[in-house]
Parts: sequence; structure tokens; C-alpha cells
Amino acid sequence: ETGVTQSPTHLIKTRGQQVTLRCSSQSGHNTVSWYQQALGQGPQFIFQYYREEENGRGNFPPRFSGLQFPNYSSELNVNALELDDSALYLCASSLEKSYNEQFFGPGTRLTVL
Amino acid sequence: AQSVTQLGSHVSVSEGALVLLRCNYSSSVPPYLFWYVQYPNQGLQLLLKYTTGATLVKGINGFEAEFKKSETSFHLTKPSAHMSDAAEYFCAVSRNTGGFKTIFGAGTRLFVKA
Repeated sequence: ETGVTQSPTHLIKTRGQQVTLRCSSQSGHNTVSWYQQALGQGPQFIFQYYREEENGRGNFPPRFSGLQFPNYSSELNVNALELDDSALYLCASSLEKSYNEQFFGPGTRLTVL
Repeated sequence: AQSVTQLGSHVSVSEGALVLLRCNYSSSVPPYLFWYVQYPNQGLQLLLKYTTGATLVKGINGFEAEFKKSETSFHLTKPSAHMSDAAEYFCAVSRNTGGFKTIFGAGTRLFVKA
């Protein structure tokens, strides 16, 4: 059974650029959630996708957008990067939405200069 | 609105001592509660969860937590700390009304002294 994988591991961008982060779900999982974890803080919920549809969204601006593909892998896109977007971005997959265990990937460390 | 408060950003215990990490929540709907652990440079791992049923929940690595509705608490305990328990611990609450959302607390870093 393959766990949750994320790519890339690290990324450096400059202000105003756009970035795409990728996540492969654990085998059999149809739900993906994305979180932003700033240094020294808890993860902040960005959004969740269930069977290719957005199933919930946190307090993030529209420049944070996502996709889920038929194979349940997912992308997080961030446009017009700001310095405060520097964080660890975590992807978590689960089976059938919310209350089941979420399996987290190792994260992508994004640095915005 | 939901929120999670973890009391104490840092907790230090001696090896073999009781571990108590505190979590209080607020939720307008019945809560689904979780404790996760994060080791350095790794993702989060589920320790235990409460959805319905028995209010005392046992998790991995000897941890357990008790859901107390009257106190809106979900404190994490372990009778005897081990050096390998040193990590960051996060309490979280989820709901799926009006769209899914999970709120994490700010985390508590546990230090274990030899």
C-alpha cells in the first residue's frame, strides 16, 4: 500500500509568481484535503476535495485553488504569491470524507522571496 | 464557529512521568475530535479520534483521551512518558455541516527529560 506522496519537497519562488503543488492519495482514498502550516503553528485548512468536487473551504483567498483528478490525485495552485505564503503545505487523504482518519504526506516546503 | 485551544505551547516531563496535554474546543455541532503527532520534518500521524460512542478513547503508543462534553475538553494522556514521545502534538476538531472543515490547535511541543 503506497502512502501519501507530495511533490516537490522544497520550492523557492518570488513574490507575484504562481506555484503548483501535487499530491498523490493513498491507494483507495477518494478524499484529499490541503493544509498550510506556517512555522510554529498548527495546520490551517485550505480546502477538501471529494470525488473531484470541492467539499469545503477554509478562510483562504480565491488565489488558492485546487483540482482533484479522476485517479484522486490533487493539485494546489497558488497565484500571485505573497511573502506570507511561505509555509509547509500538507496534503492528507482519507476514505469517504471527513471523519475517517486522514493520512498526511510529508509536505512541500514553499519559500517565497 | 469552531475553535481549538491547546493550553501550553511547551510541556516538559521526565521519562516515566505522566503526560497530560490539554485541549479545549468550541463547536456549534457535535464535534469529531482528533489528536495528531508530528515528528520533525514529517507529516502528521493520527494518535486517536473520537466520533461517537465511548468517551474514553485509546490510541496508538499508549495514549488515550477522554471526551468531556460538559467541559468541552479532549485532553490527551499517557501514564508513562518515553523519550520517543518527544514531538509536537495537535488537537483538531472536524465538522461536515455546510461543507467540511477541520480546525487544528496551535500545537503543544512535548519535551521528555532523561
